[in-house]
Amino acid sequence: EAQVTQNPRYLITVTGKKLTVTCSQNMNHEYMSWYRQDPGLGLRQIYYSMNVEVTDKGDVPEGYKVSRKEKRNFPLILESPSPNQTSLYFCASSRHLRGSPISYTFGSGTRLTVV
Amino acid sequence: GDSVTQMEGPVTLSEEAFLTINCTYTATGYPSLFWYVQYPGEGLQLLLKATKADDKGSNKGFEATYRKETTSFHLEKGSVQVSDSAVYFCALRSGANSKLTFGKGITLSVRP
Repeated sequence: EAQVTQNPRYLITVTGKKLTVTCSQNMNHEYMSWYRQDPGLGLRQIYYSMNVEVTDKGDVPEGYKVSRKEKRNFPLILESPSPNQTSLYFCASSRHLRGSPISYTFGSGTRLTVV
Repeated sequence: GDSVTQMEGPVTLSEEAFLTINCTYTATGYPSLFWYVQYPGEGLQLLLKATKADDKGSNKGFEATYRKETTSFHLEKGSVQVSDSAVYFCALRSGANSKLTFGKGITLSVRP
């Protein structure tokens, strides 16, 4: 089954303790992206990657890092989490055709709480 | 920059009522437009899309028409069901980085 898999689904952590949220897709998509969803704000893009070893900042990158060493994986790293990073996180991937994305698939989400 | 504005919610309707959820956008160039739905406890699913002016996207009884002259992409359904209760997001994509720009989302509750 074609899917984007995020882990963990739920995570409670303490301020300052480094964590990684994993994202993996099995569709050979070039493009991957991370969003955070907050009440009243919709979804905002954190980072994106157009292909392996190509990453760039989205609208709200502060406090986050990403890497894209392999096509299928795009982990989100919080080096020193803070309470304002408490949110619902979504990973997404997209297939391109002639340079344009033609479909997006979202993961099921990771609910992160930083205390 | 690009932006999407959705009507304020939440919206509560009775089963079989008519639904309209307004969405307007601001974007450079010619964006593609999307409606995503998020059922309780789940991720986002694509509901429908339109890639150029006057296109109509449709799925599961929902429809939306890409209106360039009014920069709108309103979602409609003639007869809602309890199972349509969810959060609905309007979104656009433009530019080379494939970024989706989302509206704030609106919660729809349908009562029996």
